[in-house]
Amino acid sequence: EAQVTQNPRYLITVTGKKLTVTCSQNMNHEYMSWYRQDPGLGLRQIYYSMNVEVTDKGDVPEGYKVSRKEKRNFPLILESPSPNQTSLYFCASSLMADGMNTEAFFGQGTRLTVV
Amino acid sequence: AQKVTQAQTEISVVEKEDVTLDCVYETRDTTYYLFWYKQPPSGELVFLIRRNSFDEQNEISGRYSWNFQKSTSSFNFTITASQVVDSAVYFCALGGPSYSGAGSYQLTFGKGTKLSVIP
Repeated sequence: EAQVTQNPRYLITVTGKKLTVTCSQNMNHEYMSWYRQDPGLGLRQIYYSMNVEVTDKGDVPEGYKVSRKEKRNFPLILESPSPNQTSLYFCASSLMADGMNTEAFFGQGTRLTVV
Repeated sequence: AQKVTQAQTEISVVEKEDVTLDCVYETRDTTYYLFWYKQPPSGELVFLIRRNSFDEQNEISGRYSWNFQKSTSSFNFTITASQVVDSAVYFCALGGPSYSGAGSYQLTFGKGTKLSVIP
């Protein structure tokens, strides 16, 4: 089954304790990205990756890191989480066609709480 | 930079009414994609439609229809004869070149419209 898998689904952590949210896709998609969803703000792109070893900042990259060592995986790293990073996070992947990203397939989301 | 505006934050309709969700976008580019996604109360994001900037034909899929007008930079979504299962947050999104690096592409979402369909 084609899917994007995020782990964990729920996470409560303390300020400053490094964490990683994993994301994996089995559709051989070139494009992967991370979003955070906050009430009244919709989905905002954090980072995206056009392909292996190619990453770029989205609209809200501060406080986050990503890596793309393999095509299927795109982990999101919070080196020193802060309470303002409490949010619902989505990973997504999509094919590139005609030089553009096509429809994104989303993971189930990770609800992160930083206390 | 690209921008997507969904001016309607929340809409309530009575079942069987028609409802239109508005989406206005801004981009400097001539080539881009537009999308609509649905987020039901369960939280997952469900793809509904993708439209290439060169294709201004309207599309109908069952009770759903989309009106793409380049002249007004709008990509509106209409649900005909709404049902309770249509209750969700709907997001419009714009995919296009990023100006942070050559050959990069971003996907920008609007803030969403929460649709409540009352039985």
